[in-house]
Amino acid sequence: GAVVSQHPSRVICKSGTSVKIECRSLDFQATTMFWYRQFPKQSLMLMATSNEGSKATYEQGVEKDKFLINHASLTLSTLTVTSAHPEDSSFYICSARPPGTGLEKLFFGSGTQLSVL
Amino acid sequence: KQEVTQIPAALSVPEGENLVLNCSFTDSAIYNLQWFRQDPGKGLTSLLLIQSSQREQTSGRLNASLDKSSGRSTLYIAASQPGDSATYLCAIGSWGKLQFGAGTQVVVTP
Repeated sequence: GAVVSQHPSRVICKSGTSVKIECRSLDFQATTMFWYRQFPKQSLMLMATSNEGSKATYEQGVEKDKFLINHASLTLSTLTVTSAHPEDSSFYICSARPPGTGLEKLFFGSGTQLSVL
Repeated sequence: KQEVTQIPAALSVPEGENLVLNCSFTDSAIYNLQWFRQDPGKGLTSLLLIQSSQREQTSGRLNASLDKSSGRSTLYIAASQPGDSATYLCAIGSWGKLQFGAGTQVVVTP
């Protein structure tokens, strides 16, 4: 089956630093990837839709200058949390859809737990 | 705005007992509804997908129903096993965008 790899699985950083999270589709090309965020005991919330070769589409309330998304190739999307603060501590997870599959056949990465001190 | 609610937030059952997980949504104009399983440190695994025109889907010990008129979906897991312990999420969406409930954390005790 399709595999989506996400790294790192866990990161701890100091306040003010930037953190990059990678999402790779290992055995298929993904023109579109999705980034979600989950705070403790809350729902997964869609942050943005990452489109290969074009700008990402951000959901309402998500700061595009803080959460930089780059989808430079058909197999890699990156999310950079710039100048991270403790309130950015959360679980971040990406998903992708193999071409030719059903519209809702999404595969998820294993997620990244970000802790900002 | 669509709101997705899952009750209960947590559930503990002895092995062998049937599990009933509930999901409710406020806007009946949905494209589809999915149930996922989330394990600690791992990604989400899709369990069942019900299209808006369908009433239920089955896979092995899992059965999910959908009632759009009442804004509800129920996931049944028959003869639960300790390996079924996980967090179960329901999600509504279309075109890859999903709106999730907060999940039900299930513990099946041997």
